[in-house]
Amino acid sequence: ETGVTQTPRHLVMGMTNKKSLKCEQHLGHNAMYWYKQSAKKPLELMFVYSLEERVENNSVPSRFSPECPNSSHLFLHLHTLQPEDSALYLCASSQDMGAPGTDTQYFGPGTRLTVL
Amino acid sequence: TQLLEQSPQFLSIQEGENLTVYCNSSSVFSSLQWYRQEPGEGPVLLVTVVTGGEVKKLKRLTFQFGDARKDSSLHITAAQTGDTGLYLCAGAGQAGTALIFGKGTTLSVSS
Repeated sequence: ETGVTQTPRHLVMGMTNKKSLKCEQHLGHNAMYWYKQSAKKPLELMFVYSLEERVENNSVPSRFSPECPNSSHLFLHLHTLQPEDSALYLCASSQDMGAPGTDTQYFGPGTRLTVL
Repeated sequence: TQLLEQSPQFLSIQEGENLTVYCNSSSVFSSLQWYRQEPGEGPVLLVTVVTGGEVKKLKRLTFQFGDARKDSSLHITAAQTGDTGLYLCAGAGQAGTALIFGKGTTLSVSS
């Protein structure tokens, strides 16, 4: 247990569905992250929130919409996804962002998403 | 743009063998972290190295940070099947920016 939980662990959805991924951290951290991990590809940073404000958005398609209602929760809203969006979506948190010693990221177990 | 190159990309060895994986960059990092990820799970932090030339040991794993803080290595002695997984290095750059991850080394240890 890393202190970061993600639900659901597995999700199968059609291209016209709308679903949301949830992440919760119990570590009192200030920064939260969404990553996409596809087979044989490196971790792709999607979004970063620091103190509930979005600080990075790495050219992610608008069919992915993040939400950070408070410092403990992070959501990723999904709509009209494509089959190539099938991947493991990982949430992580860190005490702060970019400061040596406090930027260790703690990952959740991920949501395995399959888009049909 | 800061990049981290990991090598080899894949490594398949027998139990009891030693191995080294590398993480290299042309950029300087303030610290560097190593993670291990098992199938179906998220990466788990193994170690953070901060000082150039630093060596840290975690049981059979030895981590080294280069003198110039641009590269790192992970050496495993007498590998076990439980060492199987994806090994990721991640570098911390400027304050206020997210970690930079390498593509990882997939290690398979067979008995």
